[in-house]
Amino acid sequence: DQQVKQNSPSLSVQEGRISILNCDYTNSMFDYFLWYKKYPAEGPTFLISISSIKDKNEDGRFTVFLNKSAKHLSLHIVPSQPGDSAVYFCAASDGETSGSRLTFGEGTQLTVNP
Amino acid sequence: KAGVTQTPRYLIKTRGQQVTLSCSPISGHRSVSWYQQTPGQGLQFLFEYFSETQRNKGNFPGRFSGRQFSNSRSEMNVSTLELGDSALYLCASKTAGNYGYTFGSGTRLTVV
Repeated sequence: DQQVKQNSPSLSVQEGRISILNCDYTNSMFDYFLWYKKYPAEGPTFLISISSIKDKNEDGRFTVFLNKSAKHLSLHIVPSQPGDSAVYFCAASDGETSGSRLTFGEGTQLTVNP
Repeated sequence: KAGVTQTPRYLIKTRGQQVTLSCSPISGHRSVSWYQQTPGQGLQFLFEYFSETQRNKGNFPGRFSGRQFSNSRSEMNVSTLELGDSALYLCASKTAGNYGYTFGSGTRLTVV
């Protein structure tokens, strides 16, 4: 039962353009969402998060949008840079019943071409 | 400030053996979680410890176990290793009341 899904295994964009990574979830109890970036041979690095009481959170070039009715969130990176090339994981938390446990999607490999 | 430290970085074991992986969290972080990452899979939650107590456990067989010490350092143990246990094992720590975990670089376990 994949409660968090990232349907695009890979995404390729040109430097300077927008990258949009998508994530869908099925568990309506999720109340907090996070995006992590992962380079090969390193652990995931926290990027940005959003609470379910918000629909948008922005941090520099990164913006996360949450559509609760559609159970969908997306990460926008503007402008994209070659250093952004990595695997991006969407994660969700249900603090009420699962405590600090994070449920991750399968990841999307982003490649930003110079 | 030192990050989350995992040792060893790489490990090769034979089927049937057991293995112990170690994790030192960021100073002051009392919550430690473990995740398994296999090719094509996202990160699968193994367990979470807080103040030496297991607070949450994922859907893994009993061969996977862990513990946390009074200094918040944590170990996980896998007994009777199977080929399918080959994975990247990630440890993460955080402060109480915070959702964002900081991950270590992981231990790459290969079972042959």
